[in-house]
Formats: sequence, C-alpha cells, structure tokens
Amino acid sequence: EAQVTQNPRYLITVTGKKLTVTCSQNMNHEYMSWYRQDPGLGLRQIYYSMNVEVTDKGDVPEGYKVSRKEKRNFPLILESPSPNQTSLYFCASSLSGGDGYTFGSGTRLTVV
Amino acid sequence: QKEVEQNSGPLSVPEGAIASLNCTYSDRVSQSFFWYRQYSGKSPELIMSIYSNGDKEDGRFTAQLNKASQYVSLLIRDSQPSDSATYLCAVLSGNTGKLIFGQGTTLQVKP
Repeated sequence: EAQVTQNPRYLITVTGKKLTVTCSQNMNHEYMSWYRQDPGLGLRQIYYSMNVEVTDKGDVPEGYKVSRKEKRNFPLILESPSPNQTSLYFCASSLSGGDGYTFGSGTRLTVV
Repeated sequence: QKEVEQNSGPLSVPEGAIASLNCTYSDRVSQSFFWYRQYSGKSPELIMSIYSNGDKEDGRFTAQLNKASQYVSLLIRDSQPSDSATYLCAVLSGNTGKLIFGQGTTLQVKP
C-alpha cells in the first residue's frame, strides 16, 4: 500500500530532551515536507526537501532540524524541545510537488 | 496579507444543498492549486487539484480557478453530513516546492 508512515503517533517528552520523529514513504517520491498544525494557525511548513541531500527552510524552522540522506526517509529532529513545540506534526511527500502531497497520519507531540 | 486566505467559517448548509468554499492567493506565478479535506483528528486528504483557468469536475466536487483574480473555489453538490470537515486550500509556490495552506474553512452539513 502506497503510504507515508510517521512514528511515533503520540509522544510526551520533557523540555530539553532530544527527540526524532521518523517519516518514511514507499512511493519513490522526490519531494518531502514537514508541517505543524496548531489551532488558529493552520498548517505551517517547517522544512521541505526536493531531493536527496537538498533541504530548505519553510516558514517556521526555528528549533528543528531535518536530513534527507536517502529518498524514502525524512526525519524531523528536535535537539532541545520546548513547550511551544507542542503541536500536531505531519510529514508529507509528493512525486513532483505539482501533483499534490500525500500526508502521513500525524504525530501529536507534547513537551512538558 | 496572508499568502493563502480562506474564510474560517463555519459554513453551515442543509443536506442536499451546494456548499461553496472560497480561497484567494497572493503569489501571481503559482501554477498548481489544491483542495484538501481534513476530518477532526485526521490528516489532510487531497480531493481536488486544478492547474488551468476554468472548472474541473470530479463527482460531486467542482474546483474553479481564476488566475487573473487569484481566486480558487470548491463547490460540493448534494452535500452530505459525511462532507462535514475542514477544507484546506493549498497553493504551490511558483518558484519552489513549497505548498502553502490557507487556514481552512469548516463545513457543517446539517441533516
């Protein structure tokens, strides 16, 4: 089944404890992206990647890192999480960008 | 001015009516436009894409694009209670792979 898989689905962590949210797609898509969704603010792009080893900042990159070492994986790293990073996170992928993105199921992160 | 703007709603329509959802965008060089549906607690699901001026129909859904006015709309005919969701308009930036979303319009279809 063609899909974008994120893990974990739910995560509660403490301030300052490094964490990684994994994202993997099995559709051989070139483009991958991370979004966060907050009430009243909608979906905001954190980082995106148009190819292996090519990443670029979105609208809210502060406090996040990403890497794209292979086409299928695009992990999101929070080196020192803070409570304002409590949010619902979505990974998405696209063949070309112009065909639209397919979203993963989401990761609900709580930082206390 | 926000890059992609939608009325947050809620938009309430009776079952069987036509629901009309609207979106404006600021990037004149954008070429790809999308509508996503998001149920509460779920991930966004792509329901329509449109690339050229005019109408595009898929079942009960019709997307409309007017690049001169920088306006995209989604019509849902014969609305059903199962259509109750938040509808997100998204625009692909003209020069990058960035997909920019509006804040979404909440649609309520009342039986």
